[in-house]
Amino acid sequence: QITLKESGPSLVKPTQTLTLTCTFSGFSLSSSGVGVGWIRQPPGKALEWLALIYWDDDKRYSPSLKTSLTITRDTSKNQVVLTMTNLDPVDTATYYCARRIYTYGQAIFDYWGQGTLVTVSS
Amino acid sequence: DIQMTQSPSSLSASVGDRVTITCRASQGINNYLAWFQQKPGKAPKSLIYAASSLQSGVPSKFSGSGSGTDFTLTISSLQPEDFATYYCQQYNSYPLTFGGGTKVEIK
Repeated sequence: QITLKESGPSLVKPTQTLTLTCTFSGFSLSSSGVGVGWIRQPPGKALEWLALIYWDDDKRYSPSLKTSLTITRDTSKNQVVLTMTNLDPVDTATYYCARRIYTYGQAIFDYWGQGTLVTVSS
Repeated sequence: DIQMTQSPSSLSASVGDRVTITCRASQGINNYLAWFQQKPGKAPKSLIYAASSLQSGVPSKFSGSGSGTDFTLTISSLQPEDFATYYCQQYNSYPLTFGGGTKVEIK
């Protein structure tokens, strides 16, 4: 059974750094073709992709947020960590992590965590 | 960046209706398109990948079509559990981008 779960603070102040952890089970981030990504969704708005990390430690970032994002993995703990610096109230959103897997030449987000709401406010 | 435009942004339909949602990419993305369903307060659920391949466990009332820049998601006979917001997503190139969503409401 594949599961992912996000954890981190629910409230952060503007200019602070946010650290979110995705803890997963049922698959290995060391397996070829596997990745874990972060996607966020401001209240009432659409989904926005943030970052991805792959089995070979390749990392990809949204260009609009690249300077403020860092994604890392701990394969021994089955965790992926997203760090976002210099937060602003517009970063208030539900943050999801999701597994990305290559299947039949397609790379898809197939399993998602439940999401964690992060509010940025003083 | 590839922009994904969904239409309509919302629609009202009755149980049993056939519903079609359109997604247009700002440039060609081959068939690297996925569809997700999201219910209020829940995470997105993968429905379709490769524009027309059904994700495991997804009922066959959902179907997808298209290639290049124009894609559609069709629900053949709308049921109460299908009222939700639907998103398309391209994965032809980075950055990965989502459409703005289509909210399917009960008429």
